[in-house]
Amino acid sequence: SAVISQKPSRDICQRGTSLTIQCQVDSQVTMMFWYRQQPGQSLTLIATANQGSEATYESGFVIDKFPISRPNLTFSTLTVSNMSPEDSSIYLCSVEYLGRGLNYEQYFGPGTRLTVT
Amino acid sequence: AQRVTQPEKLLSVFKGAPVELKCNYSYSGSPELFWYVQYSRQRLQLLLRHISRESIKGFTADLNKGETSFHLKKPFAQEEDSAMYYCALGGSEKLVFGKGTKLTVNP
Repeated sequence: SAVISQKPSRDICQRGTSLTIQCQVDSQVTMMFWYRQQPGQSLTLIATANQGSEATYESGFVIDKFPISRPNLTFSTLTVSNMSPEDSSIYLCSVEYLGRGLNYEQYFGPGTRLTVT
Repeated sequence: AQRVTQPEKLLSVFKGAPVELKCNYSYSGSPELFWYVQYSRQRLQLLLRHISRESIKGFTADLNKGETSFHLKKPFAQEEDSAMYYCALGGSEKLVFGKGTKLTVNP
């Protein structure tokens, strides 16, 4: 399995500022994903980040608001820009990795809990 | 479009009772269905996937294409099964999650 860490684990930020969340994996992975989980809601995919190419954003998410970097096969960052209280959420990093039964599985990081005041 | 519906936000059963967490999906292609679980203060983790046809921690789930369902079942619930359970649909490379069901198993 892949072990994923995220920094910070939580933060309280003022509106109008930006926060960069880091995701580190202990193995090289091709596909990394960023999700958002708003209070009481399910996980929503923000974007897919593949090394060597620009991130692919889902409908409703744009690069200017959520710029993503993927400098190598073990690391990615997600920035939440010009934050507003509506951005208060848990942000999760996920990777696709070979799991049990030799099937690809998605492994999730512990999440970053963001509160915007 | 891919869609996953988990009709029950909360489910409470007594220890030893059978439990079924419902999941229905909508997808025009060939679906891949998963159940993820999140125990208190732990990260989201894969519980089982339909193509493996496995039983994990006593849980099973059968894909019913006619009813477009992938319900999660366990014949005898245990207190340690208390957690959030998410059904997920993977058609292409993207996973779409349901809103989750919080299962509480009472002693």
